[in-house]
Amino acid sequence: AQTVTQSQPEMSVQEAETVTLSCTYDTSENNYYLFWYKQPPSRQMILVIRQEAYKQQNATENRFSVNFQKAAKSFSLKISDSQLGDTAMYFCAFVYKAAGNKLTFGGGTRVLVKP
Amino acid sequence: DGGITQSPKYLFRKEGQNVTLSCEQNLNHDAMYWYRQDPGQGLRLIYYSQIVNDFQKGDIAEGYSVSREKKESFPLTVTSAQKNPTAFYLCASSTNRVETQYFGPGTRLLVL
Repeated sequence: AQTVTQSQPEMSVQEAETVTLSCTYDTSENNYYLFWYKQPPSRQMILVIRQEAYKQQNATENRFSVNFQKAAKSFSLKISDSQLGDTAMYFCAFVYKAAGNKLTFGGGTRVLVKP
Repeated sequence: DGGITQSPKYLFRKEGQNVTLSCEQNLNHDAMYWYRQDPGQGLRLIYYSQIVNDFQKGDIAEGYSVSREKKESFPLTVTSAQKNPTAFYLCASSTNRVETQYFGPGTRLLVL
């Protein structure tokens, strides 16, 4: 069974500073994808960033970047220049093709950006 | 605009009643999914469908049923057999070639 673990239930960061969210996963698969989703108070799930396991280069999307360590099964998210609108729950998720494209989610990390 | 719509936004269920949550997408996606989210937790998969007229159980399918008669629509019925239905329900869709799932705005179900 695949599992995703987010060990930080809650984090706070000052506006304009950087925060890093951790995520570890457990799988025996080799071809898979990892995601970070953001869930603001509206509760809509919004894709932040995606990483293909076969790519060594870490994905980046504007102020969001990941540190993907395949051997360690680690997938952390760095939010740079934090903005008030970044306040949300952040979920790490994992999927692999052979499982019918089913997403497995971590328990989430609540991020609070303080002015 | 392309996207995923869910209705209603809030739904109230009486004891012993079946209720149906709607999910529609105009993204021309092949696959659709239903997830349940309980307070302070991540999402858990209820059912998914990779093609019209076919669907599979997820991790927590008991007490739920689905149909997939059209590519655009994937309604979820919460039956009276689901003893703890109060939760936030999210629908998602994806192409079968690309693994990224996109989500609708969700439906909050409450029991009266």
